[in-house]
Amino acid sequence: AQTVTQSQPEMSVQEAETVTLSCTYDTSESDYYLFWYKQPPSRQMILVIRQEAYKQQNATENRFSVNFQKAAKSFSLKISDSQLGDAAMYFCASTGANSKLTFGKGITLSVRP
Amino acid sequence: KAGVTQTPRYLIKTRGQQVTLSCSPISGHRSVSWYQQTPGQGLQFLFEYFSETQRNKGNFPGRFSGRQFSNSRSEMNVSTLELGDSALYLCASNTGVVGTTDTQYFGPGTRLTVL
Repeated sequence: AQTVTQSQPEMSVQEAETVTLSCTYDTSESDYYLFWYKQPPSRQMILVIRQEAYKQQNATENRFSVNFQKAAKSFSLKISDSQLGDAAMYFCASTGANSKLTFGKGITLSVRP
Repeated sequence: KAGVTQTPRYLIKTRGQQVTLSCSPISGHRSVSWYQQTPGQGLQFLFEYFSETQRNKGNFPGRFSGRQFSNSRSEMNVSTLELGDSALYLCASNTGVVGTTDTQYFGPGTRLTVL
C-alpha cells in the first residue's frame, strides 16, 4: 500500500520568487515512481515532473525541479521564477508496480503580482 | 497527438438514476484509469482497464462499474446515484505496457452533480 502526505494546504509566493512545496510518502514497494501534477481552475490535471525512485539524480523540467530524499521518503517540488500562470492546485502522487496513482490531498499555490 | 477526451463535460442527475461517462484515450494508449475527485475525499482510484479487461480496482461499491472497448475507449457507469456521488470524474490513459510504469495523462474530467 502507498500513502502520500501533503501537510500544507496553502502557500503563497511573490511573482519571480522561488517556492518549495513539500510531500512525503510511504510505500512497501522497492520500485516506484513519484509525480507532481498541477490542476489549474480548468480542472485539467497536468503533469509537472516525474521521478523514478531508482534514479539518484533529481528530475528537472525548466523552472521546476524536485528534491528527492529516498531515505527520508521526501519528494518536494521547487518552482523557480514563479509566474502568475503557476497559480493552481498541486498534487504529489506515487505509483508502484501497477498503474494506480495514489495522490496527496493537494496544496493550493497562489502567486502574488 | 490529440489528448484524452471525456464526454460529457457536465452532467446533472437526480438520486436513483444511473449515468454513463465516456473516455477516449490518447491514440496508442491501451490502459484507461478512472478517478473520483471530491473536496472531502480528494482523488481516489476507481479502476483501470487494459485490453478490455479490468486490471485493477479501487475500494468503491459495486454501483460503480466500467468497461473498455476494442478501440481502448472506456465507459464508466454509476447506478442508483446518491448525493455523495457528486464529483469530478477524471480519466487517465497510458500505454499500459506490462513491466513499465508510464506516465498517466488526464482528460478534462466530467463534472457530475446529483440532486
